[in-house]
Amino acid sequence: DAGVTQSPTHLIKTRGQQVTLRCSPKSGHDTVSWYQQALGQGPQFIFQYYEEEERQRGNFPDRFSGHQFPNYSSELNVNALLLGDSALYLCASSFEPNTEAFFGQGTRLTVV
Amino acid sequence: GENVEQHPSTLSVQEGDSAVIKCTYSDSASNYFPWYKQELGKRPQLIIDIRSNVGEKKDQRIAVTLNKTAKHFSLHITETQPEDSAVYFCAATTNQGGKLIFGQGTELSVKP
Repeated sequence: DAGVTQSPTHLIKTRGQQVTLRCSPKSGHDTVSWYQQALGQGPQFIFQYYEEEERQRGNFPDRFSGHQFPNYSSELNVNALLLGDSALYLCASSFEPNTEAFFGQGTRLTVV
Repeated sequence: GENVEQHPSTLSVQEGDSAVIKCTYSDSASNYFPWYKQELGKRPQLIIDIRSNVGEKKDQRIAVTLNKTAKHFSLHITETQPEDSAVYFCAATTNQGGKLIFGQGTELSVKP
C-alpha cells in the first residue's frame, strides 16, 4: 500500500515563474491538505480539498491555488513566485476531514 | 488568531534521561492535539495524539498530557535513545484531519 506520494521531490524555479506540485493520497483517502514548511519552522496550513472543493484555507495569498481531481489526487499551483516561497511543501491525506492525517515526503521548492 | 507556542526550541539530553516538550495553544475550541516526529529530510510522522476529553495518554516510552484549563499540553519521552533524535512538532486543531496549527518545533538531541 503506497503512502502519500508527492512529485517532484525537488524543484528550482526563477522569481516570477509559476509552479505546479502534485500529490497522490494514501489508498482509501479522499481528503488532501497542503502545508508550507519554511526552513526551521513548523508547517503552515495552505488549504484543504475534499470532494473536489476547497474546504478550508489558511492565510496565504491568492497566488496559491489548488485543485482536486475525481481520483482524489491534488495539485498545488503557485503563481508569480517570490524568493520567500522557497520551502518544503507537504501534502497530507486523510479519510474524510475528521481522521488522522498522513504526510508525504514533500517537494523542496527553491526560488532563485 | 490561532497560535501554538512550543518550548524549548532545542533540547539536548543524555541517553536514558527523560525529555519534556511543552506547548500552549490559543484557540479554546481546539479538541485534538497530535505530536509529530520529523527526521532530517523525511516526512512528519504521527507519534502520539490526545483528544480534549482525555487528560493523559501513554504509548510505551511516550506520553502526552493535556491541561485544557491552562491550554497546555506536553510530550514526555522516557529512557531516551539516540534514535529519538529528531525535530518534534506539536499541533492543535478543532477537527482531526482538518487544519492543523503547528508549533515551531523542538530539535531533540540524545547523546550516547
